[in-house]
Amino acid sequence: QVHLQESGPGLVKPSETLSLTCAVSGYSSSSNYYWGWIRKPPGKGLEWIGSIFQGGRKYYNPSLRSRITISLDASQNSLSLRLNSVTAADTAVYYCARQVGSCRGSNCYLYYFDYWGQGTLGTVSS
Amino acid sequence: SYDLTQPLSVSVALGQAARITCGGNDIKHKSVHWYQQKPGQAPVLVIYMDTNRPSGIPERFSGSNSGNTATLTISGAQAGDEADYYCQVWDSSTDVVFGGGTKLTVL
Repeated sequence: QVHLQESGPGLVKPSETLSLTCAVSGYSSSSNYYWGWIRKPPGKGLEWIGSIFQGGRKYYNPSLRSRITISLDASQNSLSLRLNSVTAADTAVYYCARQVGSCRGSNCYLYYFDYWGQGTLGTVSS
Repeated sequence: SYDLTQPLSVSVALGQAARITCGGNDIKHKSVHWYQQKPGQAPVLVIYMDTNRPSGIPERFSGSNSGNTATLTISGAQAGDEADYYCQVWDSSTDVVFGGGTKLTVL
């Protein structure tokens, strides 16, 4: 059974960097799946942040691309998210999830998220 | 960019069919996925690739996709189905897109 668990500092000051980690168990994070980050601000809907595939293929939300870095650590079976220059608008519950996708030649398609972590609250406040 | 439009809320009488729509330009050419999210919990995949149900999801959940609208149908809605529902697609210009979400109320 795939299990994902997010962890992070919980509280970050404006203009600083939010760093989150997602520990994956029951499956190798370097396998043939994508791994993604999604967030849900209070009172709002789900927002995709970005996804990563082994070998370094990364896909970022265009609205966040300049501020985010997603990486995979195969040795630790984990993925991480760094969000720079945070503001109060970045306050949200952050989820990591496994994502099914496929590639045909150089074209890759990201489909659905089948396993999710429980989420971790990231609050931006001074 | 590619946008998905969902109604903010849908109400259904207990035991009746609930239909939640997800509108998008030529969405019939995309694979649509649906998630259920209850308060304080992580989203759960209930339909993937338009019509497929993951293991453990009740048969009363079904999906369809044609024209500019994809639909999640819950046949015989139960009190436990009250939740927010989100549709999601992949688009070549914006990658992963979620709809704004629909709050389902079972009366």
